[in-house]
Amino acid sequence: NAGVTQTPKFQVLKTGQSMTLQCAQDMNHEYMSWYRQDPGMGLRLIHYSVGAGITDQGEVPNGYNVSRSTTEDFPLRLLSAAPSQTSVYFCASSSSYNNEKLFFGSGTQLSVL
Amino acid sequence: ILNVEQSPQSLHVQEGDSTNFTCSFPSSNFYALHWYRWETAKSPEALFVMTLNGDEKKKGRISATLNTKEGYSYLYIKGSQPEDSATYLCSCRDMRFGAGTRLTVKP
Repeated sequence: NAGVTQTPKFQVLKTGQSMTLQCAQDMNHEYMSWYRQDPGMGLRLIHYSVGAGITDQGEVPNGYNVSRSTTEDFPLRLLSAAPSQTSVYFCASSSSYNNEKLFFGSGTQLSVL
Repeated sequence: ILNVEQSPQSLHVQEGDSTNFTCSFPSSNFYALHWYRWETAKSPEALFVMTLNGDEKKKGRISATLNTKEGYSYLYIKGSQPEDSATYLCSCRDMRFGAGTRLTVKP
């Protein structure tokens, strides 16, 4: 059972480039989310989805887009990368919003030069 | 309290010491309180999900309590071991996290 699969593990971008971080889960979870981790700030919620076709903004959504065309996949798009987006990104999923534990992917370390 | 807050920010203890730390959260519109353990270079892993006022959960030497009326949860580690060294995160409203408590256990 793969759980939550996140790719790539590492990425270096130049300012202004765009890219997509991939996230897929095979647990039939309705809830999926993206977090970024910065030193001293724990995990901050970027965007989340409570089901296919439904997305919403979290605490720090600016500069990121998401879509949820299937239950399994929840890609995160950086439209025009900025150095402030240098961070470690985690995708997570859960069987329900709020009441069930999150399962996390292995993380993506992104550097924007 | 408007957000999830954790204290202390960091903690250094000797092997064998017992320790505890706090998660404070808004007491209104409470759904659930989550505790996660996050080792360096790994992904966070769930420890407990707590939903009822007065709830107590235990996993080995780690336990947690919940007070939803006053908006806090305590995480206790009995007889800390070096392998307990990690950041402990709590999450409450809207799946948002506190900044974590970084625990270092010295052998």
